[in-house]
Amino acid sequence: KNEVEQSPQNLTAQEGEFITINCSYSVGISALHWLQQHPGGGIVSLFMLSSGKKKHGRLIATINIQEKHSSLHITASHPRDSAVYICAVPLPDSNYQLIWGAGTKLIIKP
Amino acid sequence: NAGVTQTPKFRVLKTGQSMTLLCAQDMNHEYMYWYRQDPGMGLRLIHYSVGEGTTAKGEVPDGYNVSRLKKQNFLLGLESAAPSQTSVYFCASSNRALQGAFFGQGTRLTVV
Repeated sequence: KNEVEQSPQNLTAQEGEFITINCSYSVGISALHWLQQHPGGGIVSLFMLSSGKKKHGRLIATINIQEKHSSLHITASHPRDSAVYICAVPLPDSNYQLIWGAGTKLIIKP
Repeated sequence: NAGVTQTPKFRVLKTGQSMTLLCAQDMNHEYMYWYRQDPGMGLRLIHYSVGEGTTAKGEVPDGYNVSRLKKQNFLLGLESAAPSQTSVYFCASSNRALQGAFFGQGTRLTVV
């Protein structure tokens, strides 16, 4: 049973579009992570958030703990944003393990 | 500043062979992790370490062993490779548990 669900699985958009990727989870959490996996395979941590909203450049992450839902937004999308975006939440009662979503593959066309 | 370095980047093994994947980090991080990534699935934790000399099992530890003899290195061993271990393996390290992890570039392992 996958306790972290991401939607959509695949997303193709035109350069400049506003992008939203969603993450829903079923366990109680203290924080949620967003990561980016580049086409070459490298993984980069983007955000860790436990409430409200965080912004870094054109990336915005929001979380609603009560609704167990988080969104990752990309403003003014660019082809270099093409990547797989992954959300992850801590395994209940664990300080070290994360439950990972399967990822959303984003392609931005010029 | 190399960050997290994994070696090798690619490897093909025959069933039953053994090998060791090396992860090295130069950030003095306490926590290190080994994950595997399979198509259509999220990353799954194999083993992790919370400090030099300590290791613990993750979600999918069977068929793997690890060692953390030095703080900067975390080794993942496959004693007798099986086709089910064909995957991409990622190492990660962090200064605090579950926070701000840095990932290696991955090792693509194929077992035939």
